[in-house]
Amino acid sequence: DGGITQSPKYLFRKEGQNVTLSCEQNLNHDAMYWYRQDPGQGLRLIYYSQIVNDFQKGDIAEGYSVSREKKESFPLTVTSAQKNPTAFYLCASSIGWGPSSYEQYFGPGTRLTVT
Amino acid sequence: DAKTTQPNSMESNEEEPVHLPCNHSTISGTDYIHWYRQLPSQGPEYVIHGLTSNVNNRMASLAIAEDRKSSTLILHRATLRDAAVYYCILRGAGGTSYGKLTFGQGTILTVHP
Repeated sequence: DGGITQSPKYLFRKEGQNVTLSCEQNLNHDAMYWYRQDPGQGLRLIYYSQIVNDFQKGDIAEGYSVSREKKESFPLTVTSAQKNPTAFYLCASSIGWGPSSYEQYFGPGTRLTVT
Repeated sequence: DAKTTQPNSMESNEEEPVHLPCNHSTISGTDYIHWYRQLPSQGPEYVIHGLTSNVNNRMASLAIAEDRKSSTLILHRATLRDAAVYYCILRGAGGTSYGKLTFGQGTILTVHP
């Protein structure tokens, strides 16, 4: 089955700790994305990567970091600098970048709780 | 970025058609109109997209106004599995918004048996 996997589904961390969320895709997609969703809200773009070894800040990148060393993997690190890290994190991918690459495929999400 | 306006919630009965409206009065000539939906505790799912002409696929139809300032997602026969949050999104074709999806709060669709 082709798709996007995110692990773990639920993650609990103590305040002050960095945590890395996994995102893997076997769709052979060039572009990958990280979004954050807070209760009752829409998704907000954290980081995106148009191609391997390249990534760009989205609308709310502060307190987050990413890497894109492999085409199929786009891990997100939530650092201790992120003031409100508790949220639902969603990873997505698309064939390419731009309006012609119209469909983003989303993973099942990771629900992070920081106490 | 051009914004969209959707009703907070709508209700429908099973087996009936549903028309979900979206206003986007500041749409630019090269913005695509995308619709995604999200079931509880899941990632969003692509539904349909269009530029100027009406579009149909196996999930839904998209009707776009002639002036492109509004559009309507049509579910022809609602099922209980269609209960979700529906997002109308403009995908930019230029400038800083190029390629990005900007999600609003969407419309919560409730389907009654």
